Amino acid sequence: QKEVEQDPGPLSVPEGAIVSLNCTYSNSAFQYFMWYRQYSRKGPELLMYTYSSGNKEDGRFTAQVDKSSKYISLFIRDSQPSDSATYLCAMSLLYNTDKLIFGTGTRLQVFP
Amino acid sequence: GAVVSQHPSRVICKSGTSVKIECRSLDFQATTMFWYRQFPKQSLMLMATSNEGSKATYEQGVEKDKFLINHASLTLSTLTVTSAHPEDSSFYICSAGELSTDTQYFGPGTRLTVL
Repeated sequence: QKEVEQDPGPLSVPEGAIVSLNCTYSNSAFQYFMWYRQYSRKGPELLMYTYSSGNKEDGRFTAQVDKSSKYISLFIRDSQPSDSATYLCAMSLLYNTDKLIFGTGTRLQVFP
Repeated sequence: GAVVSQHPSRVICKSGTSVKIECRSLDFQATTMFWYRQFPKQSLMLMATSNEGSKATYEQGVEKDKFLINHASLTLSTLTVTSAHPEDSSFYICSAGELSTDTQYFGPGTRLTVL
């Protein structure tokens, strides 16, 4: 069993849709949970991070962490074609600058 | 935000040669940098943790004699792929942690193709 599981997609949605991306994990010791966006042939770009359980909102993006279920989510409201990318969840044990364990990534396509 | 650069962005080499990839934190100091590898349509897999002034820590299954890491300063880490073979062809990405903001920044990646 992988430490972090993520549906690889691809996920195809129309512009303006609400997108839900999810990851599950097995190691209950993870404390920091990140979402990265990666465009083709580029390095990952940090979107949001959350410490422990709870919600965090930043513009059109909302991250949720449920440690009791070992489940994290990223919601994108009013999705745009520019949101088309691969979204990677990542987790670390100690802090954000610790080594990260990534999910496989979900490829998102938002069509006009 | 902080910037991490990598050089070169792309490299093509013959089998058996060695390739050096540089990772720099441009506007902050990083005592720790990480090297990841990403195969097509797969996620990032951590190869090693690069520590300034000391030996790198390699993940299980990564050959330390093949992937040489040097972290000689607080802004530069290098990864040398020795005696590269076609199976080493991959996207290599480094990251560096900025402690003041508790954020890890990634470089743009280096695409290595071994013929």
